Amino acid sequence: AQKITQTQPGMFVQEKEAVTLDCTYDTSDQSYGLFWYKQPSSGEMIFLIYQGSYDEQNATEGRYSLNFQKARKSANLVISASQLGDSAMYFCAMREGIRNNDYKLSFGAGTTVTVRA
Amino acid sequence: GAVVSQHPSWVICKSGTSVKIECRSLDFQATTMFWYRQFPKQSLMLMATSNEGSKATYEQGVEKDKFLINHASLTLSTLTVTSAHPEDSSFYICSAYTGRDGEQYFGPGTRLTVT
Repeated sequence: AQKITQTQPGMFVQEKEAVTLDCTYDTSDQSYGLFWYKQPSSGEMIFLIYQGSYDEQNATEGRYSLNFQKARKSANLVISASQLGDSAMYFCAMREGIRNNDYKLSFGAGTTVTVRA
Repeated sequence: GAVVSQHPSWVICKSGTSVKIECRSLDFQATTMFWYRQFPKQSLMLMATSNEGSKATYEQGVEKDKFLINHASLTLSTLTVTSAHPEDSSFYICSAYTGRDGEQYFGPGTRLTVT
């Protein structure tokens, strides 16, 4: 079974508007972490935001915020005030087994975001 | 911030030859590094977990005799693709674990083309 599901292969967004990227996850662990990464066409993976399973507040980092709904097992990324430089592929990832010092990440299929001027 | 480098950034080799890719953590020590493979427009697939001073742990379906991983020091892990074939052409990315909150930093990737 897929651990991370990203159902939107591609999205278009108008510059200066907000966009929400969906991510649902599947785990039986109580302690886990959720990550979002950005991968521009150059290929490097850029860390955007992190949410721990026990964090009560939704994580925010500048224009990025994570809408964490634990009961629904979703961790959607919201990018506000989109810029042309936000055009990239975005990956949701999960780390399980935090208490077992297992640091592996499981990645979703990714969502390609294209920002239009 | 934590910086991870990879060398080379791209390489073209002939079928049957071996290629070594280096992954270095430049400003921190990484006891654990990871190697991923990514095909165009697809997700990252974890190949193996590399721990300093011990044998790498390979994911199911990854041939350990073909993809040799060595983590000789706290700042360097290498991936050697042995007897490369065209189907090994891919984007290989490493990441290093910083020891904080499961945060991993990724290298810029190496694009391998086998002709």
